[in-house]
Amino acid sequence: EAGVTQFPSHSVIEKGQTVTLRCDPISGHDNLYWYRRVMGKEIKFLLHFVKESKQDESGMPNNRFLAERTGGTYSTLKVQPAELEDSGVYFCASSRMDSNNDEQFFGPGTRLTVL
Amino acid sequence: QKEVEQNSGPLSVPEGAIASLNCTYSDRGSQSFFWYRQYSGKSPELIMFIYSNGDKEDGRFTAQLNKASQYVSLLIRDSQPSDSATYLCAVSPQGSNYKLTFGKGTLLTVNP
Repeated sequence: EAGVTQFPSHSVIEKGQTVTLRCDPISGHDNLYWYRRVMGKEIKFLLHFVKESKQDESGMPNNRFLAERTGGTYSTLKVQPAELEDSGVYFCASSRMDSNNDEQFFGPGTRLTVL
Repeated sequence: QKEVEQNSGPLSVPEGAIASLNCTYSDRGSQSFFWYRQYSGKSPELIMFIYSNGDKEDGRFTAQLNKASQYVSLLIRDSQPSDSATYLCAVSPQGSNYKLTFGKGTLLTVNP
């Protein structure tokens, strides 16, 4: 079983530019989550999809961030325009819909650097 | 603000010793508790979860939960150099079994 994959692994952009991160969850996992870790801080929840629907986006920092999951498969997270404080590692995780223990499988993350 | 607190470490133990990792949380209604291991530059990997008060053992790992004290711990017996990693405590807040709140993690080093 392939794990959660994320692309790109690293991205370096300048302030004001746009970046799109992609996450491919484990096949058959209806739950998809985005998390972020900024330097020196803990991993923080951004949002949660159930299939193509946003279940909870309470962790999204502001309206410069837009997440989509068209068709309920892969998801994208767009940052537009990027600011310096958006730098960090963006993790995607997925889990089964019927999981009793809600085991979330994490991807390797995308390291975003905004200059 | 719901918080999860961990000692950042580093925690250094000799090979073969017991490593004890601790975590406290502020949301008394938290339902589920997880320990993730993260090697440098890699993804967090779930190693233990616990829902009920008491101990839960899986191989060399034992998770301990005390909801009254809002405390969860992870014991690693017979520590190996390959256990050297950052250990992340994560909690599902009350009413939200899907949203994880993480601590900053404890860096564990097992010395050969």
